[in-house]
Formats: sequence, C-alpha cells, structure tokens
Amino acid sequence: EAGVAQSPRYKIIEKRQSVAFWCNPISGHATLYWYQQILGQGPKLLIQFQNNGVVDDSQLPKDRFSAERLKGVDSTLKIQPAKLEDSAVYLCASSLVDGQGGDEQYFGPGTRLTVT
Amino acid sequence: GEDVEQSLFLSVREGDSSVINCTYTDSSSTYLYWYKQEPGAGLQLLTYIFSNMDMKQDQRLTVLLNKKDKHLSLRIADTQTGDSAIYFCAEKMGQGDDKIIFGKGTRLHILP
Repeated sequence: EAGVAQSPRYKIIEKRQSVAFWCNPISGHATLYWYQQILGQGPKLLIQFQNNGVVDDSQLPKDRFSAERLKGVDSTLKIQPAKLEDSAVYLCASSLVDGQGGDEQYFGPGTRLTVT
Repeated sequence: GEDVEQSLFLSVREGDSSVINCTYTDSSSTYLYWYKQEPGAGLQLLTYIFSNMDMKQDQRLTVLLNKKDKHLSLRIADTQTGDSAIYFCAEKMGQGDDKIIFGKGTRLHILP
C-alpha cells in the first residue's frame, strides 16, 4: 500500500511570494489533515477535511493560507503572501474514517519550507 | 487550556530501558498517543491508550497513564540504536473537539 505522498519535499522562497504544496493521501482514506511543524515543536493542525468538506480550520491563518480538496482525494495548501514565520515543515496526514478513537493518522514525509 | 509538556532530551545506553514522560492539561482527553519521528520523515504512530485504561503493553513498548495526575509515560525496553528519534506525546481533546494536540517532542539519543 502506497503511503501519503507530498511534493515538493523542499521549497525556498522570498517573503511576500506565494507557494503551494500538494498532498495525495492513501487511497480510500476519507480524512485528510494539514499540519505545520515549526522547528523544535510538535505539529499543529491547520485544517482537517473529511472527503471534500472542511471539518476544522480554526487554526488556519485565513488571511494568507488556503486549502482545498477537490473531489475528496488530493489536496493543495497555499500560502499567499509568505512571511518569515511561515518557515516550517508542512505535514499532510490521512486517516481511513474520521480520526475517531484510535483511527490512525498516516503522515507523509512533509514539505520543508524556508522563507528568506 | 490545551498544553502537552515533555522533556526535550533523553540519553540512554544501548540495552537499557528508556522512559519518556509527558504531562497534559485536558482532563477530558479521550485518547493519548505516542508518535515517533525519524530525521526527514513524517510521524509514525507507535501506540495509543484510551483514557479509561492505565496500562498498555505492546512488545518492547509499555504505556502507563495516570489520569489523576494527567501523566503519560512510554517505556522502551532493551533500547536499540534504531530507537534513536524524536518521540511526540499527543492527546485527543474531548467534549466534541477531536483535535489532536502534540507536545514538542523528546529527542532520544542512544549511547553505545
């Protein structure tokens, strides 16, 4: 079974530029998550989708971040414009059902973003 | 408030047991998790425990939960070089909020 795929693996941009990340979850997984992991910290949930609907985006900075999951499969996360403090690893995860109980979240390798 | 605390570093000799500790604040947490992150990789779920349990054992891993003190620990028996990684404690919030809150991670270093 293929895991969660993310691209690109690394991205360097200047502040005020735009950037987009792509995630392909495990086939058949209904729920998809985007996390931000700043160096030295644990992941912080940005947005959670179930199929193509948003379940939780309470921690997404909506003035500059946006995400979509068209057709309930792949997802893209966009930052426009980027700030220095957006430098982090952006992790995508998916789970089979809805993250209830011990429903395991499978993580991708992440995209490391550096904003200069 | 939502907070998960864990020490940042732990050094253990190969073959000894490692014990990684974590405290959390939400008394209504439903599940507590331990994740492992190796360099350049995403997080891997190691084990989880339901909040009404006080112990769970899975091969070399033992999870202890003290709900009264909101304290969670992960014991790794016979620590090997392949156990070198960052270990994250996480709690699933209760009361209808299914968000998972992660600690900052404990970096486990294995001494020869």
